[in-house]
Amino acid sequence: AAGVIQSPRHLIKEKRETATLKCYPIPRHDTVYWYQQGPGQDPQFLISFYEKMQSDKGSIPDRFSAQQFSDYHSELNMSSLELGDSALYFCASSIQETQYFGPGTRLLVL
Amino acid sequence: AQTVTQSQPEMSVQEAETVTLSCTYDTSESDYYLFWYKQPPSRQMILVIRQEAYKQQNATENRFSVNFQKAAKSFSLKISDSQLGDAAMYFCALDKYRGSQGNLIFGKGTKLSVKP
Repeated sequence: AAGVIQSPRHLIKEKRETATLKCYPIPRHDTVYWYQQGPGQDPQFLISFYEKMQSDKGSIPDRFSAQQFSDYHSELNMSSLELGDSALYFCASSIQETQYFGPGTRLLVL
Repeated sequence: AQTVTQSQPEMSVQEAETVTLSCTYDTSESDYYLFWYKQPPSRQMILVIRQEAYKQQNATENRFSVNFQKAAKSFSLKISDSQLGDAAMYFCALDKYRGSQGNLIFGKGTKLSVKP
């Protein structure tokens, strides 16, 4: 069965740089979510999109933005990166209230 | 505010034995969903089982089953015939809304070790 695809899987950036994470949801899933998981922590919700419109917003910094495109893939843009942004970033997609997670993007900010 | 609490930071079980992971939650909603996710060392988040609050019957998926007590706001996960591959971090999660694009609220997780 098709799964959520995330790219890149690993990313190393310097402080103050910009990063773009991509997510390709499972076909026919109508909602995409972004989560951030710091070391030893539980995932924290950032933002979600339903049918290409932002539907919910969590603890997403103003330095981050996201959008969903016409082909339903989503991108998380992160600017002015800080050391504290180092984390595992998950994308999930859902249909009928069940979220399926991608493998995550590991971001390391040096 | 919705919260999810997992009171057992770590648990250990002998291979082939049964173990139960605890989860309690708080929500003002009458309709919601509960989930258990497994995160092995690869850190992939894998759906284990889900429970719809309006269903009284406890969900079961092969060796995994839940004990859902809606009045007590309790949602425990039972793993039968534990296998080495069950070793992972287990997160209990609550879906904030039903019928909407709500986000998951996670507990802090329980790290399960399986001894051969």
